[in-house]
Amino acid sequence: QSVLTQPPSVSGAPGQRVTISCTGSNSNIGAGYVVHWYQQLPGTAPKLLIYGNINRPSGVPDRFSGSKSGTSASLAITGLQAEDEANYYCQSYDGGLSSVVFGGGTKLTVL
Amino acid sequence: QLQLQESGPGLVKPSETLSLTCTVSGDSISTSSYYWGWIRQPPGKGLEWIGSIHYSGNTYFNPSLESRVTISVDTSKNQFSLKLSSVTAADTAVYFCARLNYSSGRRVDPWGQGTLATVSS
Repeated sequence: QSVLTQPPSVSGAPGQRVTISCTGSNSNIGAGYVVHWYQQLPGTAPKLLIYGNINRPSGVPDRFSGSKSGTSASLAITGLQAEDEANYYCQSYDGGLSSVVFGGGTKLTVL
Repeated sequence: QLQLQESGPGLVKPSETLSLTCTVSGDSISTSSYYWGWIRQPPGKGLEWIGSIHYSGNTYFNPSLESRVTISVDTSKNQFSLKLSSVTAADTAVYFCARLNYSSGRRVDPWGQGTLATVSS
C-alpha cells in the first residue's frame, strides 16, 4: 500500500479534460513537501512531467498542469490525445518515514 | 545531454546479492547539487525508491530496505552502484538509476532506461 494514494485508473475521450488525484497526509504533502508527477509510457522509463507542484519542464505541453492543496495534489490533462495513454505517478517526500515516496500510479485510458 | 545506463546480471539466485552499476554520461557525477539514486518497479506494479548517494559518499535509504542495501560511488569512472543482499522473488523488478535534485524536492530527472533483475533458482 502506497503512502500517496492515487486512483488506479481514469479515462476520457479525445479532447476531454481529466484529473488525477494524489492524496497524502500531514507528514508528506500536508507538511509542505512538494509534489512531482511522472508519465510512464508502456515499456519505457518514467519521465518528469510536473515538478515543484506546478512547474512544467521544457518540452512538456501546457495541456498538462499541476496543483496542490492541503494534503492532496492533482494533475490535470486538457485536450486529451491518444498519445497521453500511459501510467502517471505522483512523488513527494515523507518526513515521518524519511523517505522519497511515490503514489501507486494511475492508468489513463483514452477512449 | 545527461544519460544514465544500468548494467548488471539479469538473473540472481535467491539468498544471493543483486549487483547493478549505473554509468553516467554527459555530465560529471561530482556535481554538488545532485544525488544519484536507485528506484525499482516490480512487474505490473508501482515505483519504489531504494536509496540515493551524493558524490561525497553521503547516503539516504528507504527504511524498508536499508538493512539489505549498499550504494557506492566511483567518481573516477563516473559510476554508482547498488548491492541488494539476501534477495527473494519479491525483489524481482526493473531497476532504474536516476539523478535526484535534493534542492528541488528530490525530483527525479532524468532516469535510465531500466534493467530487469529476476530472482530465481
